[in-house]
Order: sequence, then C-alpha cells, then structure tokens
Amino acid sequence: DTEVTQTPKHLVMGMTNKKSLKCEQHMGHRAMYWYKQKAKKPPELMFVYSYEKLSINESVPSRFSPECPNSSLLNLHLHALQPEDSALYLCASSQRQQGSYGYTFGSGTRLTVV
Amino acid sequence: AQSVAQPEDQVNVAEGNPLTVKCTYSVSGNPYLFWYVQYPNRGLQFLLKYITGDNLVKGSYGFEAEFNKSQTSFHLKKPSALVSDSALYFCAVRASGGGADGLTFGKGTHLIIQP
Repeated sequence: DTEVTQTPKHLVMGMTNKKSLKCEQHMGHRAMYWYKQKAKKPPELMFVYSYEKLSINESVPSRFSPECPNSSLLNLHLHALQPEDSALYLCASSQRQQGSYGYTFGSGTRLTVV
Repeated sequence: AQSVAQPEDQVNVAEGNPLTVKCTYSVSGNPYLFWYVQYPNRGLQFLLKYITGDNLVKGSYGFEAEFNKSQTSFHLKKPSALVSDSALYFCAVRASGGGADGLTFGKGTHLIIQP
C-alpha cells in the first residue's frame, strides 16, 4: 500500500457543527502532516506529528484540533469553524530514512463552512 | 527559515515543444527539493525529488529537473510537452537534517500546453 487515504472527500458543515477529518497510511511512515490549501494557492503547513507526538503547530487556531491515535492514523477535529476556513485540507506522510526522503500526499478533503 | 520562489504565475507552451518551469530556493544548509503537480480538485502528485547525488534528476511522466547549487535553482523540464501536462506545478523545499519538518511550497506555476 503506497497511498495516503483521506475521508471524507467532501464535507459541508455549519459554523456550530463538530466534525472530523481522517487520514490513514500503511507505509510505515512515522511523520504525518496536515496542510491547508486555499483555491489557487500553495499548501500551508498546519501541524506535524512525529512518532505520534505533535512536533509542530504553525500557530493554528484552537478550533482545529489534531490527533494521532496511532502510527497509521491522523485526525483533524473541527469545531466552530468560520467561512474563511473553507479550503482543501491535505494530509501527508513521510519517510525519514537518510537519503530516502519522500512525502506522500492524500487527495484531500474539500471543506465548505456555511 | 526556508523559502521557494516560482517567478512565473503561468507558462504557455505549444504541444511538442520543450517546457521549463522555474524554481529557486533559500534554505540553511543543504536542501531537499521536490516537484509536485496538482490537477483541478485533486491532491498533490509527486513528480521528482533531489536529496543528494546527481544534479540531474529524472522523475515521473518524462519530467526531469536540474539542481544548481550556485544558482540555488531547481528548474523542472520536459523535452516534449503534452496537452495532458497542463496543470498547477509546485516546487517545494525542506532543509536537510533530522526532524520531521514539513515542506515549504512555492506559490505555484500554471502550465498551459496548447494543442
């Protein structure tokens, strides 16, 4: 299995809802990432998990709450979002062996906040 | 801090002609460099990477890139463009060394291949 799987592919939520995005990989990668991508813009790093521990939080608002329950799974919990949070949310995982760095991205969750 | 510059918002090339998409980078230490392609409403697809070794890197779908340390560049090239190559291309960088740092992306370049 050489893929990063993200679910759901599309999500519409109200500003008072609570929802979660899910990301799964079975490549044995021990680093996982959440990125946010607005239309026609580059992906922006949100969170990095290394060996299931949060290692980087790029000053993301607390209405986004990441979770890494195990080495294969990464969640992003959403609560009280704003319309400007509508974007494509990309998950990625990476190898960390010296000389063999690689980042694999999922196809993303298209989030619309109404 | 690390950064990537893609100076062209859009590149137009006739089908069958060679194409180049430019990228320059800034990073402390040695860079790890990547090219990704994104089709509309899709995720990022990996094209190629430079970690170490030969400066000319060959990747997927006939693409290649040349690492030039003195010019801090990593331009993407293809000898003969296809209409299906039309997409959004991102160059990305991270510094070498330990840690699980994420990638920093350039703003992207729209590549349009005209039949």
